[in-house]
Amino acid sequence: DTGVSQNPRHKITKRGQNVTFRCDPISEHNRLYWYRQTLGQGPEFLTYFQNEAQLEKSRLLSDRFSAERPKGSFSTLEIQRTEQGDSAMYLCASGSASYNEQFFGPGTRLTVL
Amino acid sequence: AQKVTQAQTEISVVEKEDVTLDCVYETRDTTYYLFWYKQPPSGELVFLIRRNSFDEQNEISGRYSWNFQKSTSSFNFTITASQVVDSAVYFCALRVVIKAAGNKLTFGGGTRVLVKP
Repeated sequence: DTGVSQNPRHKITKRGQNVTFRCDPISEHNRLYWYRQTLGQGPEFLTYFQNEAQLEKSRLLSDRFSAERPKGSFSTLEIQRTEQGDSAMYLCASGSASYNEQFFGPGTRLTVL
Repeated sequence: AQKVTQAQTEISVVEKEDVTLDCVYETRDTTYYLFWYKQPPSGELVFLIRRNSFDEQNEISGRYSWNFQKSTSSFNFTITASQVVDSAVYFCALRVVIKAAGNKLTFGGGTRVLVKP
């Protein structure tokens, strides 16, 4: 399967713990996006990478959130000192200059107890 | 700032009926793309269709068709002869094409479609 993959698919953690999610984009795509989706809502943009450069960050991305994309391949999203309000589905998407659409992974569902 | 509104939260139909999903968008930019995505119960967003702001020609692709009207800022989507497998949440999304806005998608709140056998 050459689609976008995300790991883990589910994560349950206690408030205050740190969590890290991984996204592997479609191999030829140089653009990578992170979105957050809460129950009953549409996805909301968090951040965007072109190759290894993080070019845009949403105001939703507080200082407890950090994202990296070393070497312009996979990306990680870390949340420090998790709060119950961080419970959501975290979606990763990839794309390229050749495509205007973004292709999404299956998401990581985070539950903070 | 961009905004996408999907006024219908849920639509229930019987199989083989047509379903039309409404989408209204707001942007001051003249160059943009509009999308429809499907999110089945499994959770993965699936790209369905794309339309750019310079092409108002409405098209049909299989059982899907769309009606793009710039004058009313609407991008409606129709599923013809619905099937149970069409049951999902459908999202309309907007991407403007200016450097300052990056490449992010702005999504509507989604419309849940339930197709009953």
